[in-house]
Amino acid sequence: DQQVKQNSPSLSVQEGRISILNCDYTNSMFDYFLWYKKYPAEGPTFLISISSIKDKNEDGRFTVFLNKSAKHLSLHIVPSQPGDSAVYFCAEGHYGGSQGNLIFGKGTKLSVKP
Amino acid sequence: DTGVSQDPRHKITKRGQNVTFRCDPISEHNRLYWYRQTLGQGPEFLTYFQNEAQLEKSRLLSDRFSAERPKGSFSTLEIQRTEQGDSAMYLCASSLAGGEPPGANVLTFGAGSRLTVL
Repeated sequence: DQQVKQNSPSLSVQEGRISILNCDYTNSMFDYFLWYKKYPAEGPTFLISISSIKDKNEDGRFTVFLNKSAKHLSLHIVPSQPGDSAVYFCAEGHYGGSQGNLIFGKGTKLSVKP
Repeated sequence: DTGVSQDPRHKITKRGQNVTFRCDPISEHNRLYWYRQTLGQGPEFLTYFQNEAQLEKSRLLSDRFSAERPKGSFSTLEIQRTEQGDSAMYLCASSLAGGEPPGANVLTFGAGSRLTVL
């Protein structure tokens, strides 16, 4: 069973509106989550992170919310821009131990229409 | 520094042939990772080095796969006797301990090496 789930394969949003990308997880023993963005023919690039001890982290137009009771996190992009069109991955990480192993979801393809 | 470099970007080979991919990480990063990504999936962890020591290997890394990082700088991933199921994007990433949140392992990925096995 998948440990990190992104149940929406795709999302289409109008420019200027809010994009909300969702991620569910099963393992409560994580230490942090990372969001990555991937353009075609490029590797994933780091976007924003959140620690397990926080419920919100904001960086410019990007905000990540963590709801530990629901084992759910979301990435909000406000306002959305056409350049945000990409595949977004959430990834679960742990301190110590298995430091090499980020566990990624399958990704959500965001299309922002002008 | 130009980031994480991977070579070749695309490799087409016939089943049963051996292939090797090279990764040059960001110079000050001491950690190096190999991931594999297939269509419609997220990156899946294969193996991880800290300096020249290979510290972790996924069960996805069969005996046909071997990775090295001989001097703690660049790394190679070799696949012997390739199979069609090996067709994927092979991603290399590097990182340095620290960052935000503290201790988080923020990986910087290369553009990947796409393998097609005919």
